[in-house]
Amino acid sequence: EAQVTQNPRYLITVTGKKLTVTCSQNMNHEYMSWYRQDPGLGLRQIYYSMNVEVTDKGDVPEGYKVSRKEKRNFPLILESPSPNQTSLYFCASSFGNGRYEQYFGPGTRLTVT
Amino acid sequence: DQQVKQNSPSLSVQEGRISILNCDYTNSMFDYFLWYKKYPAEGPTFLISISSIKDKNEDGRFTVFLNKSAKHLSLHIVPSQPGDSAVYFCAASKGSGNTGKLIFGQGTTLQVKP
Repeated sequence: EAQVTQNPRYLITVTGKKLTVTCSQNMNHEYMSWYRQDPGLGLRQIYYSMNVEVTDKGDVPEGYKVSRKEKRNFPLILESPSPNQTSLYFCASSFGNGRYEQYFGPGTRLTVT
Repeated sequence: DQQVKQNSPSLSVQEGRISILNCDYTNSMFDYFLWYKKYPAEGPTFLISISSIKDKNEDGRFTVFLNKSAKHLSLHIVPSQPGDSAVYFCAASKGSGNTGKLIFGQGTTLQVKP
């Protein structure tokens, strides 16, 4: 089954404790992205990757890191989480090359206390 | 600066009637637009899209209209069904070289009453 998977689905952590949210896709997509969803703000792009070892900032990259060492994986790293990073996070992937439709994972609910 | 805006946070319609969801954008460089649907506890799923060279695209009960001069697009659902109750997001992209970058609106929650 073609899908985007994220882990964990729920995470409660404390300020300053480094964490990683994993994302994996099995569709051989070139592009991958991370978004956060907050009430009244919709979905905002954090980072995106056009291919292995190629990443770029989205609209809200501060406090986040990403890496794309393999085509299928695109982990999101919070080196020192803060309460304002409490949010619902989505990973997405797409073919690229003029095909815009992105396929989303199920989401990760992160709470930073 | 919100480049894509959905000014109606919520919409309620009766089953069988038409649902019209609206979206406005400010950047004239956007050339491709998409609608996504999101159920609670799930990721958004792609619904329908339109290129800026068209003014209408239809897929079953869903039709998207684009008015470039007004920088406005709308999603029509006819007839509306209770299973259409969800949050709808519009999104925009700035060209084939940037297919990885989508700008989303705030979302509109649609409730279809039986």
